Amino acid sequence: GQSLEQPSEVTAVEGAIVQINCTYQTSGFYGLSWYQQHDGGAPTFLSYNALDGLEETGRFSSFLSRSDSYGYLLLQELQMKDSASYFCAVISEGFGNEKLTFGTGTRLTIIP
Amino acid sequence: GAGVSQSPSNKVTEKGKDVELRCDPISGHTALYWYRQSLGQGLEFLIYFQGNSAPDKSGLPSDRFSAERTGGSVSTLTIQRTQQEDSAVYLCASSLAGRPYNEQFFGPGTRLTVL
Repeated sequence: GQSLEQPSEVTAVEGAIVQINCTYQTSGFYGLSWYQQHDGGAPTFLSYNALDGLEETGRFSSFLSRSDSYGYLLLQELQMKDSASYFCAVISEGFGNEKLTFGTGTRLTIIP
Repeated sequence: GAGVSQSPSNKVTEKGKDVELRCDPISGHTALYWYRQSLGQGLEFLIYFQGNSAPDKSGLPSDRFSAERTGGSVSTLTIQRTQQEDSAVYLCASSLAGRPYNEQFFGPGTRLTVL
């Protein structure tokens, strides 16, 4: 089976940088994704890592270390609108039969 | 183009009744997923469709839950003899199967309340 761990809550200051960590245990690991969900909204895709290293998309970056079964989401120049829940999700079993297993989410609160 | 749509947006039912939740995926998306999210919780995987077949039903909580997909498009999640613990937001997502990063596009969800 799959299991993921991420902090339940994180608080950060507007304009600062925050890192949300995710560790996982899975068989048939294929990649790690991150999703954002605002209160009352649907999850939206942020990023995907299949290989080790850092992927950057604007203010958001995501990192993966396959050997450590670890990844993180890095948010820079934090804005109030970044207050949301962030879920890491493991993609397993690969091409044609992908399955996403989500972590329990990290609630990020941005304070002025 | 249109995103994933779900209906109804809200459903209030009495314990013991059956409910049907509908999902219309993005046109051309062959993979379709159902998740359940309780208040303040993560997403619980229920079932995955590839076309009309469901290679993974492992997440269905009990035999009261069933799902089908017809024409490789619309999917219906049915909950029989609803219980109060079934109250949650039921989310549907679709993706282009085979895309390695498996970006899933979520619908707005159906909020189910069982009284």
